[in-house]
Amino acid sequence: GAVVSQHPSRVICKSGTSVKIECRSLDFQATTMFWYRQFPKKSLMLMATSNEGSKATYEQGVEKDKFLINHASLTLSTLTVTSAHPEDSSFYICSARDTGRSGNTIYFGEGSWLTVV
Amino acid sequence: AQSVSQHNHHVILSEAASLELGCNYSYGGTVNLFWYVQYPGQHLQLLLKYFSGDPLVKGIKGFEAEFIKSKFSFNLRKPSVQWSDTAEYFCAVSGGYQKVTFGTGTKLQVIP
Repeated sequence: GAVVSQHPSRVICKSGTSVKIECRSLDFQATTMFWYRQFPKKSLMLMATSNEGSKATYEQGVEKDKFLINHASLTLSTLTVTSAHPEDSSFYICSARDTGRSGNTIYFGEGSWLTVV
Repeated sequence: AQSVSQHNHHVILSEAASLELGCNYSYGGTVNLFWYVQYPGQHLQLLLKYFSGDPLVKGIKGFEAEFIKSKFSFNLRKPSVQWSDTAEYFCAVSGGYQKVTFGTGTKLQVIP
């Protein structure tokens, strides 16, 4: 079946640095990808919708300049957390929409644990 | 705007008991509906989905869900749960090609 891969699965970075998380659709083309953040004991919070070849659409309250999203190809979207702070530590999950074979199904990546120290 | 409501936050069942998790959505048009499961320490996996056609949808691992349009509901059911079904279950809705909105999730604990 369709697979969405995230990398890295775990990353530790120093406060003030930037970290990039990649989301790849491995066997389908995804014009739309989504980035979520999962807080402990809470549900997924949609951060932004990533559109191939155009600017991402951010949800209310999400800082565009802090969470940079790039969707340069039909199989890759990246989330860059800039000037990271400890409160950015979280579990980040991407998903991709497969509008082809599986008829508009959303598949999720494995998630990336970010720890800012 | 679309929204999803899951009524049960934490459900505890004994093995072999029947399961029904409630999910109600709000959206004015045609919707795509999903149930996802997150096992402890693992990532989200698709259990089943509804786009159109037969409102009774069968998914993996013996789960099924019924879309009742008049009630704006998409409840998840399983006739007999197993200890391995212990996980968190998320209902989600997507209006056409719009973003996916998730419910708050239901933690299911199955006692052997």
